[in-house]
Amino acid sequence: NAGVMQNPRHLVRRRGQEARLRCSPMKGHSHVYWYRQLPEEGLKFMVYLQKENIIDESGMPKERFSAEFPKEGPSILRIQQVVRGDSAAYFCASSPLGPGQGNTEAFFGQGTRLTVV
Amino acid sequence: ILNVEQSPQSLHVQEGDSTNFTCSFPSSNFYALHWYRWETAKSPEALFVMTLNGDEKKKGRISATLNTKEGYSYLYIKGSQPEDSATYLCAYYTDKLIFGTGTRLQVFP
Repeated sequence: NAGVMQNPRHLVRRRGQEARLRCSPMKGHSHVYWYRQLPEEGLKFMVYLQKENIIDESGMPKERFSAEFPKEGPSILRIQQVVRGDSAAYFCASSPLGPGQGNTEAFFGQGTRLTVV
Repeated sequence: ILNVEQSPQSLHVQEGDSTNFTCSFPSSNFYALHWYRWETAKSPEALFVMTLNGDEKKKGRISATLNTKEGYSYLYIKGSQPEDSATYLCAYYTDKLIFGTGTRLQVFP
């Protein structure tokens, strides 16, 4: 059973371009979380998704950022018209169950480091 | 706004020393408290998932306690080793998983 797979591991984009970050959860996991790690900071919650549904996007900037988790395929975090301040490491985590359904750990991918030049 | 606070921010100890750090979280709408270990250039890995007030969990030299009524958890490392050097994150699980900023532990030989 492969772990959580994120790609690419490193992504360089020029200001104004789009960044697409992919996360394939562990097999059987239908809950996906995206986090952003800024330099010298911890993991900041961005969005929580289940298959085909956004459950909580309270940590996502209102503009330029969007996320999806389609029925088939990986979860995608999309950042449009990137700016230098978007440079960070983006981590995704998956779990088989959500809050209140059982308490299991989240499994993390190795992250995508986005650099905006 | 849900605040998960961890202290200290960083800690330097000698090999063989025992150490502990704290995680504070809101005591309302509690489902679970997670502890993760995050080594440089790797992804966070779960140490413990704790749900009940008074829970104590142990894995080797590492143990954790939980007080949901007052909203805190302690992580203890007995006889620290250089390989324990990592950032230790706690996460409060309510309707989503909210992380503290972590305690960065460095163990010197």
